[in-house]
Amino acid sequence: AQSVTQPDIHITVSEGASLELRCNYSYGATPYLFWYVQSPGQGLQLLLKYFSGDTLVQGIKGFEAEFKRSQSSFNLRKPSVHWSDAAEYFCAVAVYNNNDMRFGAGTRLTVKP
Amino acid sequence: DTGVSQDPRHKITKRGQNVTFRCDPISEHNRLYWYRQTLGQGPEFLTYFQNEAQLEKSRLLSDRFSAERPKGSFSTLEIQRTEQGDSAMYLCASSWTQEDTQYFGPGTRLTVL
Repeated sequence: AQSVTQPDIHITVSEGASLELRCNYSYGATPYLFWYVQSPGQGLQLLLKYFSGDTLVQGIKGFEAEFKRSQSSFNLRKPSVHWSDAAEYFCAVAVYNNNDMRFGAGTRLTVKP
Repeated sequence: DTGVSQDPRHKITKRGQNVTFRCDPISEHNRLYWYRQTLGQGPEFLTYFQNEAQLEKSRLLSDRFSAERPKGSFSTLEIQRTEQGDSAMYLCASSWTQEDTQYFGPGTRLTVL
């Protein structure tokens, strides 16, 4: 069965520092891959997605993610974190028909001033 | 486009009572999804609709749960004889096609006392 692992439950970075959030998936074929962000009291917002093509995907708010097939990873990166980036980040995987999306447990990002 | 809306935002009920939640998707979105999110976890897929047809249900959706989308627009999720384990955030999402981004609502937080 497909699964998603986010190894880091909580990460703290200083404002202006770079960020990398890890995501590993387990699935036989190449799934659809997503990163969502959830702020308190807000719904999940899509940051970026990978279906096929270029393995480096650009998203909103300056985020990017790289699909590495050999490592079954889809890590999220941002070169310079802003205080407003503090939130919960979820990696998700979907089978081809995109019906059954599986989410990781999330990584909570704290940004220090 | 006002986004996906959910009502109520919060619901407190006593064990054994029935509750019903409503989701209004983005207009003209054909697909509607329900997820459940417990504290410290990512959302878990419950079920989805293609127009008015419920096409897939997770094993998480016990007999006490029922979802409808009678006219292919809004959807309701009913939980009968609620249990404390049902306490969670219930999220709704919608998309235009199976490959389109799922847009999430703010969720309904259920607390069962």
